[in-house]
Amino acid sequence: EVQLVESGGGLVQPGGSLRLSCAVSGITVSGNYLTWVRQAPGKGLEWVSVIYSDGTTYYAASVKGRFTIARDISKNTLYLQMDTLRAEDTAVYYCARDRFGEVDLDYWGQGTLVTVSS
Amino acid sequence: QSVLTQSPSASGTPGQRVTISCSGSSSNIGKNYVYWYQQLPGTAPKLLIYRDNQRPSGVPDRFSGSKSGTSASLAISGLRSEDEADYYCAAWDDSRSGLFGGGTKLTV
Repeated sequence: EVQLVESGGGLVQPGGSLRLSCAVSGITVSGNYLTWVRQAPGKGLEWVSVIYSDGTTYYAASVKGRFTIARDISKNTLYLQMDTLRAEDTAVYYCARDRFGEVDLDYWGQGTLVTVSS
Repeated sequence: QSVLTQSPSASGTPGQRVTISCSGSSSNIGKNYVYWYQQLPGTAPKLLIYRDNQRPSGVPDRFSGSKSGTSASLAISGLRSEDEADYYCAAWDDSRSGLFGGGTKLTV
């Protein structure tokens, strides 16, 4: 059974940093495309970033240069390092497996809430 | 404002057929596959349609997807109360990023 479990969310001040984790089981992070998607309170879904099985990464324009997606193969865990956080980054962050690397998200985590506020 | 455009709301009565549309451009829908997601209140999104018109195992055949040019549609026939949810289209863009539509809230 494939499971993705996010953690690391919380309250952070504007300009601060936070690292989200996504513990993956049932599949390997090294052999799959993995994505972060976020959803601001009461708003729609926003694609954030993807890491391919070969390590290639892509980012949404809204987070490029501030967020970094990474993986630890030994821990089978996906990460999202978020720096220089802004109020508009407040959202529930989901990790998901992207089956074909084209926003084909067939397995999702339950999400973790990040609140950026002073 | 999303690059993929969806109507904010749709509605229907039980048993009816409703269609939700998604409009994009030549750099996304016009060139890449379209995906549809259903999000029930308080839950993570669920993949409903992949590669324009394919249904994952377990998704009822009441749900169908289609695409023409730079637009795509999700059709739900035999509407049920449990279909009341938010629906999102998605596609990869040539700018090397994923895109979601703004979402359509379906009321049954």
